[in-house]
Amino acid sequence: GENVEQHPSTLSVQEGDSAVIKCTYSDSASNYFPWYKQELGKRPQLIIDIRSNVGEKKDQRIAVTLNKTAKHFSLHITETQPEDSAVYFCAAPHNTNAGKSTFGDGTTLTVKP
Amino acid sequence: DADVTQTPRNRITKTGKRIMLECSQTKGHDRMYWYRQDPGLGLRLIYYSFDVKDINKGEISDGYSVSRQAQAKFSLSLESAIPNQTALYFCATSDFRTAGHEQFFGPGTRLTVL
Repeated sequence: GENVEQHPSTLSVQEGDSAVIKCTYSDSASNYFPWYKQELGKRPQLIIDIRSNVGEKKDQRIAVTLNKTAKHFSLHITETQPEDSAVYFCAAPHNTNAGKSTFGDGTTLTVKP
Repeated sequence: DADVTQTPRNRITKTGKRIMLECSQTKGHDRMYWYRQDPGLGLRLIYYSFDVKDINKGEISDGYSVSRQAQAKFSLSLESAIPNQTALYFCATSDFRTAGHEQFFGPGTRLTVL
């Protein structure tokens, strides 16, 4: 199966600073890497994803980078704002069962005003 | 808007009781999932179903069972609830036609077993 490790488990930054969350995965055949954001009391929702044929993808203040050789991918949030405070989850699909994914344990991001 | 819904949203029950959590979706997706969320442990897969006739165990299926009554409905049962099943439960769906397998989550059911 797929093993996914996510770091750090908690992250506190000042408003305006950047935040980086990293995930490593074990299955070298994995080809889709999403990031979900879960605000307090809400459901997880996809914020950005990347496929294995690209190394980076940006969407305004968020970006995801992928290093397939090292088997890790990272979420980058620039110019953080208080509304970025949430729990962030990475995920990776299973090679032999692509409809099934393993999620990281989550990172609680706190942006201090 | 097409959505994923869960009932009940909150439930308090006692040890040994049978509990059913229900999930419905209007997204037209074929794939449905049940996850459990505990603090610091992320989202752990309990059961998943790729169509009405396909049911599969996830990583933590012991103590749980499921029923896929229709493409749009996927129920999770706890036959005899125990306190360590106290958690936040999420149903999710995905569409096999999209290569990325993005998952769409319901609002969650907070279950407390006393």
